[in-house]
Amino acid sequence: GAGVSQSPSNKVTEKGKDVELRCDPISGHTALYWYRQSLGQGLEFLIYFQGNSAPDKSGLPSDRFSAERTGGSVSTLTIQRTQQEDSAVYLCASTDPGVLSYEQYFGPGTRLTVT
Amino acid sequence: QKEVEQDPGPLSVPEGAIVSLNCTYSNSAFQYFMWYRQYSRKGPELLMYTYSSGNKEDGRFTAQVDKSSKYISLFIRDSQPSDSATYLCAMSGGPGNQFYFGTGTSLTVIP
Repeated sequence: GAGVSQSPSNKVTEKGKDVELRCDPISGHTALYWYRQSLGQGLEFLIYFQGNSAPDKSGLPSDRFSAERTGGSVSTLTIQRTQQEDSAVYLCASTDPGVLSYEQYFGPGTRLTVT
Repeated sequence: QKEVEQDPGPLSVPEGAIVSLNCTYSNSAFQYFMWYRQYSRKGPELLMYTYSSGNKEDGRFTAQVDKSSKYISLFIRDSQPSDSATYLCAMSGGPGNQFYFGTGTSLTVIP
């Protein structure tokens, strides 16, 4: 079946602009995670959704970052007034609600470059 | 102190070598331990999973967890050029909990 998809695959934007990144999880996966991956930094947790609610937003680096999820499916990560330090690969992952909920299925990521 | 520490490498080995990758962690509440493999410009994919302490073997791959030392390892036997990738360890306290990832170790297997 279809895996996790993310769009766009690449985004170049000017400092100060807003960007929206989209994640389509695997159908039926109730949990959805957003991560940021920078060179040498590993995966940095941003936010976790269970259904449409976000019980853990602790990883969002500033109030310029927000995320929402609608219909228990698609999620959008929005970065307002982008800064150069926001340049990174943004990864989305979803998990099956069953017994294998430890396994995260990742999308290919969105590579964001802020100039 | 980071929740999870992992040597970023890079690690370069000849084909056929045994590779050892390791992570240490600080949170004794972690129960689920995972290894992900990430090829260039792709998302990570789950390679191995272990619950609590012990060993798990899957083909050429063996995962070990030592909770008393807060230390996990991934061994790759008879390494192949196709194993060249970044390997990330990850751990969690359980379903619905946050996952904590290491920085990843870059591995190159030379033919």
